[in-house]
Amino acid sequence: EDQVTQSPEALRLQEGESSSLNCSYTVSGLRGLFWYRQDPGKGPEFLFTLYSAGEEKEKERLKATLTKKESFLHITAPKPEDSATYLCAVQTFQGAQKLVFGQGTRLTINP
Amino acid sequence: NAGVTQTPKFQVLKTGQSMTLQCAQDMNHEYMSWYRQDPGMGLRLIHYSVGAGITDQGEVPNGYNVSRSTTEDFPLRLLSAAPSQTSVYFCASSFNGGGETQYFGPGTRLLVL
Repeated sequence: EDQVTQSPEALRLQEGESSSLNCSYTVSGLRGLFWYRQDPGKGPEFLFTLYSAGEEKEKERLKATLTKKESFLHITAPKPEDSATYLCAVQTFQGAQKLVFGQGTRLTINP
Repeated sequence: NAGVTQTPKFQVLKTGQSMTLQCAQDMNHEYMSWYRQDPGMGLRLIHYSVGAGITDQGEVPNGYNVSRSTTEDFPLRLLSAAPSQTSVYFCASSFNGGGETQYFGPGTRLLVL
């Protein structure tokens, strides 16, 4: 069974304090791993796709990396507007139309 | 483009009542999905469709029905609501089914008493 686990559940940082969120996965045949951002009361919004181990993607203060067992979302010098829940999801070749999500990490950046 | 729209935004039901959650998209996407989001459990796939007239079950389909008569619309039906169906429901659409092309709606918050 495909599984995705995110840690920590919640993270509180001071503005400018860098950190990382973790997404561990167990799947058979990874097609892609995806990171989404979700603001309160809204649907998830796509951030990154990672397809193979060693791949990295960057967008502003966010950088996503991928190994064969986990992905990290690194947040460098965060600002209060980076506060949100970050979701990780995987898609396999067998279940090509299906996304399996982790529980999410709720990130709060204090000014 | 309005993107993915969902109605209603919030609904309260009594146990045993039925209702339909509406989802529409104006991007001409073939793939559409319904997810539920519960605290501590992430999003779980209920049903999905790869085109008009084609639907299939996801991870948690029991208690829900879907149909896809047009490309634009993908309603989710609760035939007899139960308290366990209290959740936030998200509809998503995609032109190729890939996670990188998913557009999510704003969600419907459902409370079953």
